[in-house]
Amino acid sequence: AQKITQTQPGMFVQEKEAVTLDCTYDTSDPSYGLFWYKQPSSGEMIFLIYQGSYDQQNATEGRYSLNFQKARKSANLVISASQLGDSAMYFCAMRYSGAGSYQLTFGKGTKLSVIP
Amino acid sequence: EPEVTQTPSHQVTQMGQEVILRCVPISNHLYFYWYRQILGQKVEFLVSFYNNEISEKSEIFDDQFSVERPDGSNFTLKIRSTKLEDSAMYFCASTESLYRNTEAFFGQGTRLTVV
Repeated sequence: AQKITQTQPGMFVQEKEAVTLDCTYDTSDPSYGLFWYKQPSSGEMIFLIYQGSYDQQNATEGRYSLNFQKARKSANLVISASQLGDSAMYFCAMRYSGAGSYQLTFGKGTKLSVIP
Repeated sequence: EPEVTQTPSHQVTQMGQEVILRCVPISNHLYFYWYRQILGQKVEFLVSFYNNEISEKSEIFDDQFSVERPDGSNFTLKIRSTKLEDSAMYFCASTESLYRNTEAFFGQGTRLTVV
């Protein structure tokens, strides 16, 4: 079974500092995609960044980057220069190309709090 | 920017009643999903839908649940005979394709409270 593990239930970071949110995954499928979503207190799910299993380079989107270590099966999210608006739940998710399986499998999330 | 729209944003219903949650996916998207998030827990897949039929469903999606696309734009989730444990945030999502790198666009969610 596919599985996503986020070991940090909560994290604190000082404003303007960088923070890394951990995510490890487990799959036997060689073809998969890894996603990070942000969920503010208002509840919506906001896509942040994507990394494909065959991508040679780590993904970056503005202040977000993904530290992809395929051998370790980890896909950590790095947020640089944290802002107060970054305070939210962050979910790591995986989509894999197994037959008939196209849904996202989510981790339990990490609650990030940015301190002024 | 195109978005997935869900209505209502919040629904309160009595135990045993039927509810219908509505979603309007992004217009050129072909694949639709419902997910559920019980308060404080992770987001869980319920069902995927393509070409007017269910592609896959999780073990959560039992006979109490049904989905349909009644008019080519709306995508609905019906929950019959609601139970207290059905209280959760329900998210609709859509994707343009099934490639592994395809971003799923989520609606803002419907918070269902069963009393």
